[in-house]
Amino acid sequence: DSGVTQTPKHLITATGQRVTLRCSPRSGDLSVYWYQQSLDQGLQFLIQYYNGEERAKGNILERFSAQQFPDLHSELNLSSLELGDSALYFCASSVASLNTGELFFGEGSRLTVL
Amino acid sequence: GQQLNQSPQSMFIQEGEDVSMNCTSSSIFNTWLWYKQDPGEGPVLLIALYKAGELTSNGRLTAQFGITRKDSFLNISASIPSDVGIYFCAGQNRAGNNRKLIWGLGTSLAVNP
Repeated sequence: DSGVTQTPKHLITATGQRVTLRCSPRSGDLSVYWYQQSLDQGLQFLIQYYNGEERAKGNILERFSAQQFPDLHSELNLSSLELGDSALYFCASSVASLNTGELFFGEGSRLTVL
Repeated sequence: GQQLNQSPQSMFIQEGEDVSMNCTSSSIFNTWLWYKQDPGEGPVLLIALYKAGELTSNGRLTAQFGITRKDSFLNISASIPSDVGIYFCAGQNRAGNNRKLIWGLGTSLAVNP
């Protein structure tokens, strides 16, 4: 158990819809990272938040957005969903602002877009 | 986005065998990390390497930071069934504030008991 909690574990929705994925980081960790994992693209970094503020941005689509709340939990919002958005979405956390590479991952949220 | 070349893509071995996998990059990194992902779980950090030439062990796992700083290797000795999973390498250049991890596509390991 990494201490990072993600909900929901599984989500099935239709194209054009919007979903919200939630992440609670490990106790004491201030940084939250979002990753997308698909078979052909591997782990793709989407975005990092540190203590409520955006810290680094990766390959995040404009249809996707994220935020980190004062209690440090984070949400990833995916809108106007397309079939290609079907993937595993991971949240990871770490204590530091700067990415040391030592991340603690949650179990992921599997999104299926039909 | 940028990715690392990780090989082999998959391995199927007998319990007790040793395993070797590697990761190469066209860019220099000053940090290499190896993660393992069990089925239905998120990746878990196995070993972190911070210096060219460094050799670090974690139980039956040994990883090396290549001296060219463009590659890394992971060895597993005397494999057991619970070694099954996907092994990912990740590289990082910790210069300045841009510290994004670059990931390999993984090596899938199956162990026949």
